[in-house]
Amino acid sequence: NAGVTQTPKFQVLKTGQSMTLQCAQDMNHEYMSWYRQDPGMGLRLIHYSVGAGITDQGEVPNGYNVSRSTTEDFPLRLLSAAPSQTSVYFCASSYVGTGAHYEQYFGPGTRLTVT
Amino acid sequence: AQKITQTQPGMFVQEKEAVTLDCTYDTSDQSYGLFWYKQPSSGEMIFLIYQGSYDEQNATEGRYSLNFQKARKSANLVISASQLGDSAMYFCAMREGQAGSYIPTFGRGTSLIVHP
Repeated sequence: NAGVTQTPKFQVLKTGQSMTLQCAQDMNHEYMSWYRQDPGMGLRLIHYSVGAGITDQGEVPNGYNVSRSTTEDFPLRLLSAAPSQTSVYFCASSYVGTGAHYEQYFGPGTRLTVT
Repeated sequence: AQKITQTQPGMFVQEKEAVTLDCTYDTSDQSYGLFWYKQPSSGEMIFLIYQGSYDEQNATEGRYSLNFQKARKSANLVISASQLGDSAMYFCAMREGQAGSYIPTFGRGTSLIVHP
């Protein structure tokens, strides 16, 4: 199993450009989520999904869109990049079921710089 | 109000000694779970230990133990016999039940440096 994969690993955007951060998992996990990590702020939840076709906002959703058409994929779209979106982005998934603790399995992260 | 508070931005410990990283949480749910994650300088997030709110015993995983004090709403991580490889950021997180969607909320982290 590859676990949770994210592409790209690094990206530089200009202000106003759009892009999609890709996230995929091969563990058949129901729950998927996107976090951003900024220095001194920990990980903050952007959007999450509890199953295909179901998404909801987290703590810092502005400027980001998500969709979940399959169990495996959960892309994050930046509609019009701003320097404030410079961050490290982590995708995570978690198992739901009998005995589940809901711990997050994380991808390796995408380091995004917006100039 | 923050759901997870980690009051120690940085901690130092001598190799082979024990260290406690503090975490307090805020929830009105009866059913919740607490996690600790390690993030080394390479950047990946590594799950260390889990404690459920109904678990009567403190969780342990090798050199990691979670000192769970429910009445005080604290879930401190204890690392015994510190090693140089323990130098990393450590994050405390909590997932709540229905009200919290089961998606964990993270604290701001504690940077641990282990000295030889």
